[in-house]
Amino acid sequence: DTEVTQTPKHLVMGMTNKKSLKCEQHMGHRAMYWYKQKAKKPPELMFVYSYEKLSINESVPSRFSPECPNSSLLNLHLHALQPEDSALYLCASSQEAQSSGANVLTFGAGSRLTVL
Amino acid sequence: AQSVTQPDIHITVSEGASLELRCNYSYGATPYLFWYVQSPGQGLQLLLKYFSGDTLVQGIKGFEAEFKRSQSSFNLRKPSVHWSDAAEYFCAVAPGYNAGNMLTFGGGTRLMVKP
Repeated sequence: DTEVTQTPKHLVMGMTNKKSLKCEQHMGHRAMYWYKQKAKKPPELMFVYSYEKLSINESVPSRFSPECPNSSLLNLHLHALQPEDSALYLCASSQEAQSSGANVLTFGAGSRLTVL
Repeated sequence: AQSVTQPDIHITVSEGASLELRCNYSYGATPYLFWYVQSPGQGLQLLLKYFSGDTLVQGIKGFEAEFKRSQSSFNLRKPSVHWSDAAEYFCAVAPGYNAGNMLTFGGGTRLMVKP
C-alpha cells in the first residue's frame, strides 16, 4: 500500500460547525503533515507530526486542531472556521521528519473544504 | 532560508511538442530538489527528485530534469507532451539536512496542451 487516503473528499460547513478531516497511511511512515492550498497557489505547511508528536506548528490559528492518534492516522479538527479558510487541505507522509536523503513526501488527494 | 521561483505561470504547448518548465532556487548549499504534478482537484504526485550524483534525473511519465548548480536551476523537460500532461507543476526545494518538514514550493506552472 503506497497511498495516503483522505476523507472526506468534499466538506461544506458553516462557521459554527465542528467537523474533522481524516488522513490514513499504511506505509510505515513516521512523519505526517497537513498542508493548506488555496486556489492557484502552492501548498503551505500547517503542521508536522513526527513519531506521533507535534513537531511543527506554522502559526496556525487555534480553530484548526491537529491530532495524531497513532502512527497511521492524522486528523484535523475544525471549529469556528471563517470563509477564508476554504481551501484544499492536503495530508502527506514521509519516512521520517528529521532525516535527509530518501525523505520524500507522499501526498493524499486532499479534502476540499468550503466554509459558508 | 531557501526559495523557489517558477517564472512561467502558464504555458501552452501543442500535443507532441517538447516541453521545458523552468525552476530557479535560492539556497546556500546543495539543496534537495523535487518536481510534483497536480491534476485539478487532486493531490500532488512526485515526478522526480534530485539529491546528489548525476545531474540529469529521470522521472515517471517520461519526464526528466537537469540540475545546474551554476545557474541555480532545475528545469523539467519532456520530449513529447501528451494531452494527459495538462496539469499544475510545482518545483520544490528542501535543505539537505531536513528534507521533509522544510519543503518550499514554487508558485507553480499551469500547463495546457493543445490538440
